[in-house]
Amino acid sequence: SQQGEEDPQALSIQEGENATMNCSYKTSINNLQWYRQNSGRGLVHLILIRSNEREKHSGRLRVTLDTSKKSSSLLITASRAADTASYFCATERPGGKLIFGQGTELSVKP
Amino acid sequence: GAVVSQHPSRVICKSGTSVKIECRSLDFQATTMFWYRQFPKKSLMLMATSNEGSKATYEQGVEKDKFLINHASLTLSTLTVTSAHPEDSSFYICSASVMSGSYEQYFGPGTRLTVT
Repeated sequence: SQQGEEDPQALSIQEGENATMNCSYKTSINNLQWYRQNSGRGLVHLILIRSNEREKHSGRLRVTLDTSKKSSSLLITASRAADTASYFCATERPGGKLIFGQGTELSVKP
Repeated sequence: GAVVSQHPSRVICKSGTSVKIECRSLDFQATTMFWYRQFPKKSLMLMATSNEGSKATYEQGVEKDKFLINHASLTLSTLTVTSAHPEDSSFYICSASVMSGSYEQYFGPGTRLTVT
């Protein structure tokens, strides 16, 4: 399959806890992006990390990229109930194609 | 920010009919648009890449005659599901891209197609 793997497939935590999601991919990439999707809705772009970057922050989000292991992680700190959504990583291939991972369904309980 | 719209947001049609879904970039010109399909609780699968004024490039396993894509202008791409069947029921999402070093994509809100 061209798609990457994400784990865990589902994650349930309490408000205030941190949530970590992992993504692995198979081929070389231009960059890796993380998206959020609320149930039945479109995608919201969260963060892009280029292949020559190792870590990037945006608010409560922290993304790491290890190109030697072909893996990335998304950390959401101090989670809120409103963070409940599905999170997808996507790798950009030549021509701008995005190949999405399987996604992690995050549930944050108040 | 860049906004992409899709129309309709939901459509129900009978088996055998064709359905057209529009994807528009509202405040920018999109050199490339992408069409994705998403099954419930699954990831997005890229169906095709469409460049304005040229034929779409389909991913392996996607039937070109079944899913007709037309990118008539820099702000509009359409996906027509021809002779729809219940197995075509899905969530279809488009994205539009502006060439700016990296192909940052802006996603539409999706169209829920139900074929009865």
